[in-house]
Amino acid sequence: EAGVTQFPSHSVIEKGQTVTLRCDPISGHDNLYWYRRVMGKEIKFLLHFVKESKQDESGMPNNRFLAERTGGTYSTLKVQPAELEDSGVYFCASSRPGQGSYEQYFGPGTRLTVT
Amino acid sequence: QQQVKQSPQSLIVQKGGISIINCAYENTAFDYFPWYQQFPGKGPALLIAIRPDVSEKKEGRFTISFNKSAKQFSLHIMDSQPGDSATYFCAASRWDGNQFYFGTGTSLTVIP
Repeated sequence: EAGVTQFPSHSVIEKGQTVTLRCDPISGHDNLYWYRRVMGKEIKFLLHFVKESKQDESGMPNNRFLAERTGGTYSTLKVQPAELEDSGVYFCASSRPGQGSYEQYFGPGTRLTVT
Repeated sequence: QQQVKQSPQSLIVQKGGISIINCAYENTAFDYFPWYQQFPGKGPALLIAIRPDVSEKKEGRFTISFNKSAKQFSLHIMDSQPGDSATYFCAASRWDGNQFYFGTGTSLTVIP
């Protein structure tokens, strides 16, 4: 079984530019989560999809962040326009239907640097 | 407000020694407490998890000790090996929740 994949692994952009991160969950996993870790701090929840529906987006920092999951498969997280404080590692995780927040499988992350 | 507090931030242990990482939480609604292990360049991987109906869970050299009344749980790595060198995150979640609440992570270095 292939794991959660994320693209790109690294992205360096200038303040004000746009970046789109992609996550491919494990096949059959209806639940998809986005998290972010800012340097030295805890991994923080951003949002949760069940299939194509946003279940909880309470962790999204502001309206510069837009997440989509068209067709309930892969997901994208767009940051527009990027600010310096958006730098960090963005993780995607997925879990099986009915698992709720248990047993989440994480991808390798996308390291975003905004200069 | 940080929901899960983790210590220490970093830990150096001799090969063969015991590594201990501690976490504390406030929300009594949490009912699932996983530990994740992360190697450089990789995502966090589930190591071991516990529910609050037991006080201890052991898997190989890894043990979670859980103290419900103190709202604390800890990871013990017995006979620590250089290959255990990684960042460890504790986390907590609710049965009706959507997310994990993570600690800040502990960087473990096991020296030969």
